[in-house]
Amino acid sequence: ETGVTQSPTHLIKTRGQQVTLRCSSQSGHNTVSWYQQALGQGPQFIFQYYREEENGRGNFPPRFSGLQFPNYSSELNVNALELDDSALYLCASSLGSDSRGGYTFGSGTRLTVV
Amino acid sequence: DQQVKQNSPSLSVQEGRISILNCDYTNSMFDYFLWYKKYPAEGPTFLISISSIKDKNEDGRFTVFLNKSAKHLSLHIVPSQPGDSAVYFCALQGGKLIFGQGTELSVKP
Repeated sequence: ETGVTQSPTHLIKTRGQQVTLRCSSQSGHNTVSWYQQALGQGPQFIFQYYREEENGRGNFPPRFSGLQFPNYSSELNVNALELDDSALYLCASSLGSDSRGGYTFGSGTRLTVV
Repeated sequence: DQQVKQNSPSLSVQEGRISILNCDYTNSMFDYFLWYKKYPAEGPTFLISISSIKDKNEDGRFTVFLNKSAKHLSLHIVPSQPGDSAVYFCALQGGKLIFGQGTELSVKP
């Protein structure tokens, strides 16, 4: 059983650029959630995808967007990067959108915006 | 508006002693509570959970207590081991996870 894989592990971008982060969900999981973890904070929910449709969104602006593919992998896209977007981005997969304790997290992508 | 608060950013405990990590929440509508553990350069891993119909759940060295009237959750680790050193997050679940800020636990040999 493979876990959640995220790529890249680290990324440096310039303010105003666009970035795409990728996530492969755990085998058998059909739901992917994305979280942003700023330094010294807990992860904050960005959005969730269930069967290729957005299924819930946190308090993030529209320049944060995502996709889920038929194989349940997912992308997080951020446009017009700002310095405050520097954070660890975590992807979590689960079976179903409200899985009791059944979220598996990837190791994250560390994004630095300069 | 912070729905989940972990007021202690760090905790240091001697090996073999009890570690107690605390968490307060504001929204009574949530009915499932979890603790996650995170090592550097790794994602959070699920540790233990509790449903609102219970006030205690135990799994080996880890016990979670829920006080619904006080809207308070705690995690007890006994005995604490150096390998328990990590950041611990409490979370509420309601279709998504709402995390606290985390408590960094350091267990000294």
